[in-house]
Amino acid sequence: KNQVEQSPQSLIILEGKNCTLQCNYTVSPFSNLRWYKQDTGRGPVSLTIMTFSENTKSNGRYTATLDADTKQSSLHITASQLSDSASYICVVTPWSGGYNKLIFGAGTRLAVHP
Amino acid sequence: DTEVTQTPKHLVMGMTNKKSLKCEQHMGHRAMYWYKQKAKKPPELMFVYSYEKLSINESVPSRFSPECPNSSLLNLHLHALQPEDSALYLCASSQESGASYEQYFGPGTRLTVT
Repeated sequence: KNQVEQSPQSLIILEGKNCTLQCNYTVSPFSNLRWYKQDTGRGPVSLTIMTFSENTKSNGRYTATLDADTKQSSLHITASQLSDSASYICVVTPWSGGYNKLIFGAGTRLAVHP
Repeated sequence: DTEVTQTPKHLVMGMTNKKSLKCEQHMGHRAMYWYKQKAKKPPELMFVYSYEKLSINESVPSRFSPECPNSSLLNLHLHALQPEDSALYLCASSQESGASYEQYFGPGTRLTVT
C-alpha cells in the first residue's frame, strides 16, 4: 500500500475557480511534507514545504495545510489560471538520519479550462 | 542561481547504443540524485551521490552507470538499454542528503529506446 495517497486522481475546473487537492499519508515519523507542481514532461517544482509542527504555508495563490494528528494535507489553489494545469504531487520525507528519500504520491492531474 | 540543468532534453537511442545523460548545478549542493519517471507515475529514485560518492543504488540494473566527476556534475551512462527503459530521467540536487534539505529538480531528459 502506498504510504502517500492523493485525491482526486484528476480534476477539471474552470479558470478563475478555486480548488482543493487532498493528500493522506501513513509515513511516520516524518521530517517534512512538500507539494510539488509538475508540468508535463518537466521536472517537479516545489510549491510549499512544511515541517511536522507547521499547520499552513502559503506561496502566492497556493496554500497548503497540514494536520499531523489525522495525517492529512491539502493544497488549495485560489483563482485558478490556465497555467495551473499540471500534476500536483504530495511528497513526504520520512524522519531518518540518513539520506533524503522522498516518498511520492501518485499526483493529482489538474486541468484548468477557459 | 537555483537551477539544475540537464542535457540533452530528448534522446532517442537503439538498444545497442551507448549514450550519456548530463546534469549540472552551481548551487554548491553536495548531494545529487537520479530519478526515473514513467508516464503518469511518480518519480522513482535510482541513485544518490553525497560528496561525490555513491551512497545509494536502489537496485538499478548495471546497464545504468552513474558517475560524479566533481561536485557540480552528475552523469548517467547508458548501455544496452531495453525499450521499457524509455522514460523521463530527472536529476535533482540538495544542499546535503539529510531529510530536511529541499531537493531541486532539473527539467529532465526524455529518453526513448527503440
